[in-house]
Amino acid sequence: GAGVSQSPSNKVTEKGKDVELRCDPISGHTALYWYRQSLGQGLEFLIYFQGNSAPDKSGLPSDRFSAERTGGSVSTLTIQRTQQEDSAVYLCASSLYGSQAPGEQYFGPGTRLTVT
Amino acid sequence: AQKVTQAQTEISVVEKEDVTLDCVYETRDTTYYLFWYKQPPSGELVFLIRRNSFDEQNEISGRYSWNFQKSTSSFNFTITASQVVDSAVYFCALSGNTGNQFYFGTGTSLTVIP
Repeated sequence: GAGVSQSPSNKVTEKGKDVELRCDPISGHTALYWYRQSLGQGLEFLIYFQGNSAPDKSGLPSDRFSAERTGGSVSTLTIQRTQQEDSAVYLCASSLYGSQAPGEQYFGPGTRLTVT
Repeated sequence: AQKVTQAQTEISVVEKEDVTLDCVYETRDTTYYLFWYKQPPSGELVFLIRRNSFDEQNEISGRYSWNFQKSTSSFNFTITASQVVDSAVYFCALSGNTGNQFYFGTGTSLTVIP
């Protein structure tokens, strides 16, 4: 079946502009994660959605970052007033969360964001 | 604190050699999960294994094996008879029992030289 898809694959924006990154998780996966991967770094957790529960936003680096998940499916990560340090690859992952145990995550190809 | 440390930044081996990737973790949770992911040059992370804290049995899957030792808080990954296709960045990750957050290490870049 279809995996996790993300769009756009690449985004170049000017400092100060807002950007929206989209994630389509695997159908039926209730858990959705956003991560940021900077060059040569590990994955930095940003936000987690589980079903209709309130999201865990504890990883968002500043109030310029926000995310929503509509209808328990598609998610959008918004970065307002982008800064050069926001340049990174933004990864989305989904997981079948049928129990209390975290399951394997399926990752999308990522969106490479470059802020000039 | 929840933390994963992969001390090896880069490793190069010659094809057919065995290689072990180290992973050390810190957690306050009594129930937790450990993972390994592979990120090939194409970029997409691929799940390799999940281990829960109550199962210390080592696991073998083909040329891959994992050694989980709670006494040393380590979850090491060994590739036997490495192949060029094994070249990738490998990430170790930790999650508590709520699954809210995953803590990834900084990754180990493995290069297998033909």
